[in-house]
Amino acid sequence: GEDVEQSLFLSVREGDSSVINCTYTDSSSTYLYWYKQEPGAGLQLLTYIFSNMDMKQDQRLTVLLNKKDKHLSLRIADTQTGDSAIYFCAESIGGDYKLSFGAGTTVTVRA
Amino acid sequence: AAGVIQSPRHLIKEKRETATLKCYPIPRHDTVYWYQQGPGQDPQFLISFYEKMQSDKGSIPDRFSAQQFSDYHSELNMSSLELGDSALYFCASRGRATSGRGDTQYFGPGTRLTVL
Repeated sequence: GEDVEQSLFLSVREGDSSVINCTYTDSSSTYLYWYKQEPGAGLQLLTYIFSNMDMKQDQRLTVLLNKKDKHLSLRIADTQTGDSAIYFCAESIGGDYKLSFGAGTTVTVRA
Repeated sequence: AAGVIQSPRHLIKEKRETATLKCYPIPRHDTVYWYQQGPGQDPQFLISFYEKMQSDKGSIPDRFSAQQFSDYHSELNMSSLELGDSALYFCASRGRATSGRGDTQYFGPGTRLTVL
């Protein structure tokens, strides 16, 4: 979407860390989300962060939020081949929490 | 755990035909969202319903309509189909249980619509 921007591609070696970056525009967003989509599949929620937090860790996933710069990142530690997918950053907008997605970052994990 | 169910999973239609997509939210979820994902694109919000009433509207063409029924399932009706309507259509649901804890939307597997 035009309100959320992401880099389009990331190639990473198996075992290394991946960092996916995202910028958003709506400073009133309550939550920010990371979704994963494998080829031909649906959207799987990976994690979310409340807008008044600056970091959240969940097993191999670390989310960093810089609210001042409206910058969100997702770090995947020890990246595996199963992590190859498209990763979407999304912000919730409005009282009904509809989601505005970024264009998605295609992560390719090479052996 | 029960997930969002969408039917059909795949649908092939001709131009100018109509299509109906169905969505069954997670039990006790009262809010349903519809999104359209074109090839190589991000999902775009179409429309949402809360307690059977339309709650928000996005980039949904006038040829499309939707409603939420008393059992909370929702249907997206698409008429005068065009080639550009070929896409993956996702339904998502949200319930009060996640209010204040992510307000998370849970997505169904999607319906892949192909218009020939």
